[in-house]
Amino acid sequence: DIQMTQSPSSLSASVGDRVTITCQASQDISNYLNWYQQKPGKAPKLLIYDASNLETGVPSRFSGSGSGTDFTFTISSLQPEDIATYYCQQYDNLPPRVTFGQGTRLEIK
Amino acid sequence: QVQLVQSGAEVKKPGASVKVSCKASGYTFTSYGISWVRQAPGQGLEWMGWISAYNGNTNYAQKLQGRVTMTTDTSTSTAYMELRSLRSDDTAVYYCARGTIFGVVIWDYWGQGTLVTVSS
Repeated sequence: DIQMTQSPSSLSASVGDRVTITCQASQDISNYLNWYQQKPGKAPKLLIYDASNLETGVPSRFSGSGSGTDFTFTISSLQPEDIATYYCQQYDNLPPRVTFGQGTRLEIK
Repeated sequence: QVQLVQSGAEVKKPGASVKVSCKASGYTFTSYGISWVRQAPGQGLEWMGWISAYNGNTNYAQKLQGRVTMTTDTSTSTAYMELRSLRSDDTAVYYCARGTIFGVVIWDYWGQGTLVTVSS
């Protein structure tokens, strides 16, 4: 099974800061990597799919990059409403199969 | 608009079974697969499995093989997840999520979640 190592597990930053979260796969996963945001008591929300594609309606301050085993998620200028936990998600299509990273809890400093 | 509406909270005893429903509306049900994801209190996300609403094909997480069954009823546009032999560590919020045109396990719409509590 593919393992996903997400870091850091928690992060404190100031409004306006650039924030970066990384996810490393235990083997080459091409670009089969998505990023979700989850606010307390809510279902996750898709932000980035296939490593770098911004989901419709998601602000452009969110971005993703990477391929193979190393991936990065970036918020270019942190806003108060970005306080949430962020998860990377690796997937296969045939058959459908998913592994999540452990999550990164983002707080405002 | 697309909606996934899940059934209400459940309290079960260890060893019992639970069946959670996820009623879809606002789109052609058979055009997209449904995954189930759970989240234990204060913990991360765990994928449970996927079902094709088109032909009923399934793929379950290895950890849950033999205890979980996912089904659909196309006449009511409803997906179901049944988990058997419940244990205390099955206590979690259970979500259904719809796949997208980009990938069957890239999820753009989610249910509101169903809390299942397993306690004696």
